[in-house]
Amino acid sequence: GPKVLQIPSHQIIDMGQMVTLNCDPVSNHLYFYWYKQILGQQMEFLVNFYNGKVMEKSKLFKDQFSVERPDGSYFTLKIQPTALEDSAVYFCASSLLTGGDAEQFFGPGTRLTVL
Amino acid sequence: GQQVQQSPASLVLQEGENAELQCNFSTSLNSMQWFYQRPGGSLVSLFYNPSGTKHSGRLTSTTVIKERRSSLHISSSQTTDSGTYLCALETGNTGKLIFGLGTTLQVQP
Repeated sequence: GPKVLQIPSHQIIDMGQMVTLNCDPVSNHLYFYWYKQILGQQMEFLVNFYNGKVMEKSKLFKDQFSVERPDGSYFTLKIQPTALEDSAVYFCASSLLTGGDAEQFFGPGTRLTVL
Repeated sequence: GQQVQQSPASLVLQEGENAELQCNFSTSLNSMQWFYQRPGGSLVSLFYNPSGTKHSGRLTSTTVIKERRSSLHISSSQTTDSGTYLCALETGNTGKLIFGLGTTLQVQP
């Protein structure tokens, strides 16, 4: 099936540093998402993005988080500054549509460790 | 409380047995997806099934909107089926998925 790529697969950084997680979504998809999963816990929605704008964000999407997708490039999640509780696996997903006609395809995740 | 509840939380089978995984939801549904999460963490989409029944090999998914439930049936289980099965619900029009806690399946040889 369609593939979503994520770079890097692992990232270890010191608390307070900035990190950017990169996602290469399915080429013709229009909607992009980030989800967060702490080890052994539930997958949780962070944010979705369409037409250059955030459509919806959860309470987990703190002020230190931002997303963007400059034309033709990666869909990125930036955390600045990072905190210990940001350690988790971050999954990117994309879909062609939403609202009941929109299968989401997920990347393999980026494991972020904040020391 | 949880908008998406999965049962059982865990299941141990002998190879060849069948499994029935349940997903119940307390809110309206636009779409339902079932995922398999590998032990290493990556997600595989199994079904996109807003309503009705879909088949894929040994897997069958049935979503009944009026009863607010979806099920995943695995027939003739294999050891490679071991892992976590997640259901996820889209309720609004933004695409946001709400995940259940998952069912951890272990298939023994």
